[in-house]
Amino acid sequence: EDQVTQSPEALRLQEGESSSLNCSYTVSGLRGLFWYRQDPGKGPEFLFTLYSAGEEKEKERLKATLTKKESFLHITAPKPEDSATYLCAAISSGSARQLTFGSGTQLTVLP
Amino acid sequence: ETGVTQTPRHLVMGMTNKKSLKCEQHLGHNAMYWYKQSAKKPLELMFVYSLEERVENNSVPSRFSPECPNSSHLFLHLHTLQPEDSALYLCASGAGIPAREKLFFGSGTQLSVL
Repeated sequence: EDQVTQSPEALRLQEGESSSLNCSYTVSGLRGLFWYRQDPGKGPEFLFTLYSAGEEKEKERLKATLTKKESFLHITAPKPEDSATYLCAAISSGSARQLTFGSGTQLTVLP
Repeated sequence: ETGVTQTPRHLVMGMTNKKSLKCEQHLGHNAMYWYKQSAKKPLELMFVYSLEERVENNSVPSRFSPECPNSSHLFLHLHTLQPEDSALYLCASGAGIPAREKLFFGSGTQLSVL
């Protein structure tokens, strides 16, 4: 059974304080690792897809990386508007029709 | 605006009521999904439709009944729900199956079952 585990569950940062969110996955044949951002009262919004170990993608203050066992979402010099829940999801060759989501990391950036 | 619209945004219903959730996408996608999101739990896939045909049903109780009349519309019919069914119900669409590309989610329907 595919599993995706995110840590920490919650993270509070001061504005400008860089940090990383972790997503560990155990899937049979990774076909894609996704990061989404979810604001309160809204559905998840797509950020990145990573397909192979060593791949990196960047968007503004966010950078996602992938290894054979985990993915990191690095947040550089965060701002209060980066506060949200960040979700990680994986799709595998064993469950090609569906994403397996983690429980998310709730990020709060204080001004 | 993601191109996926869900109505209603909020719904309160008794255990004996019958209600329906509606989802509409204007992105030209041919795959649509229903997800359930409960507090502190991962998103749970409920149903997947591809080209209006149901291709996935993740052991969802029969009190949830999906309907996909065309590739732009998706419904979730609810009847005799239980309090534990209270959650955020999210609709999503994608360009194809398998979902190797991004999904577009609606804002969800927050359901409370009394």
